[in-house]
Amino acid sequence: NAGVTQTPKFQVLKTGQSMTLQCAQDMNHEYMSWYRQDPGMGLRLIHYSVGAGITDQGEVPNGYNVSRSTTEDFPLRLLSAAPSQTSVYFCASSYSRGGSPLHFGNGTRLTVT
Amino acid sequence: DAKTTQPTSMDCAEGRAANLPCNHSTISGNEYVYWYRQIHSQGPQYIIHGLKNNETNEMASLIITEDRKSSTLILPHATLRDTAVYYCIVRPSTSGTYKYIFGTGTRLKVLA
Repeated sequence: NAGVTQTPKFQVLKTGQSMTLQCAQDMNHEYMSWYRQDPGMGLRLIHYSVGAGITDQGEVPNGYNVSRSTTEDFPLRLLSAAPSQTSVYFCASSYSRGGSPLHFGNGTRLTVT
Repeated sequence: DAKTTQPTSMDCAEGRAANLPCNHSTISGNEYVYWYRQIHSQGPQYIIHGLKNNETNEMASLIITEDRKSSTLILPHATLRDTAVYYCIVRPSTSGTYKYIFGTGTRLKVLA
């Protein structure tokens, strides 16, 4: 099992550009989520999904879109990048049943200039 | 969604037990307590979880108070490699809201 795979590992964008951060898991997890982590801060939930076709907003959803067309993939789209979106982005997944821990990817470091 | 409160930072001598507290006074009866840690800027790593009873695995022990309003993660013999940020979060045990909300965690520094 590869677990949770995030691509790219690093990305530099100019203000106003758009891009998609990819997240894939091969554990057949129903639940997937995106977090951002700013320097010296904790993780903040952006969006999450409890299954294909179902998404919902987290704590800081503005400026980001998600979709869940398959169980395996949960891409995060930045529509018009802003310097405030410079951060490390983590994708995580788990089974929906209680007692199932989150599995995290290794993160994508995004810099918006 | 239940919130958790943790001290900002703690130090522990190498080889001693590290006891990390977490307050979750608004936890409901169907919510698990989970602990994760994050070393440098890697993805958080799952450590342990529990519902009502104390739990132990190869990494740590979790002590949950009888009223479930607080818990303590115990690393029995801390090593330098245990230096990390430790997060305590709660999550429902049944279907419903899945907002895993992480706070700022406790920065544990293990001293040689």
